Amino acid sequence: NAGVTQTPKFRILKIGQSMTLQCTQDMNHNYMYWYRQDPGMGLKLIYYSVGAGITDKGEVPNGYNVSRSTTEDFPLRLELAAPSQTSVYFCASGQSEAFFGQGTRLTVV
Amino acid sequence: GIQVEQSPPDLILQEGANSTLRCNFSDSVNNLQWFHQNPWGQLINLFYIPSGTKQNGRLSATTVATERYSLLYISSSQTTDSGVYFCAVSPGAAGNKLTFGGGTRVLVKP
Repeated sequence: NAGVTQTPKFRILKIGQSMTLQCTQDMNHNYMYWYRQDPGMGLKLIYYSVGAGITDKGEVPNGYNVSRSTTEDFPLRLELAAPSQTSVYFCASGQSEAFFGQGTRLTVV
Repeated sequence: GIQVEQSPPDLILQEGANSTLRCNFSDSVNNLQWFHQNPWGQLINLFYIPSGTKQNGRLSATTVATERYSLLYISSSQTTDSGVYFCAVSPGAAGNKLTFGGGTRVLVKP
């Protein structure tokens, strides 16, 4: 049972670089989410999707973009990385109970 | 938006002790989950409990939705219980856009 899989697990970016965080789930969930967790804090919602082709902003969307071309995949794109985007990023899926991936630890220097 | 407050913020326990963690929320919710974030950062689902009481081994949880709080009970704590416990809620009728509390950091000493 793979559940929610995120890649990469760790990444260091230079200021101004771009990258895509990958997320895939094998539970056939329509609902998927991206959260970020800053040190010592709870998670905050960046973007979510209720199905293929449909995405919407969460609490902290600035600096990020998402797409949802398939039910399984929900990539998160960072354009022009900034130090404020240093965080741990979690992808989740599920309409009622949410299931989380193992996270991507991103450092922007 | 909905506010979620967890207490206490920090908890130090001797192995074998029992404890109660509390989660208060400011509005009606349709979803409530408890998570354990282990020292490696992984989020582990403990309970999906928008109302009522559930038990899983040494852990149990109760949500009183009408009074807007939930409790997580840890009995006979073990060192592996150390980590951060998060409560997260969603008011939505559909979907699960969770709002997280600040967490309770638990350290269980041998």
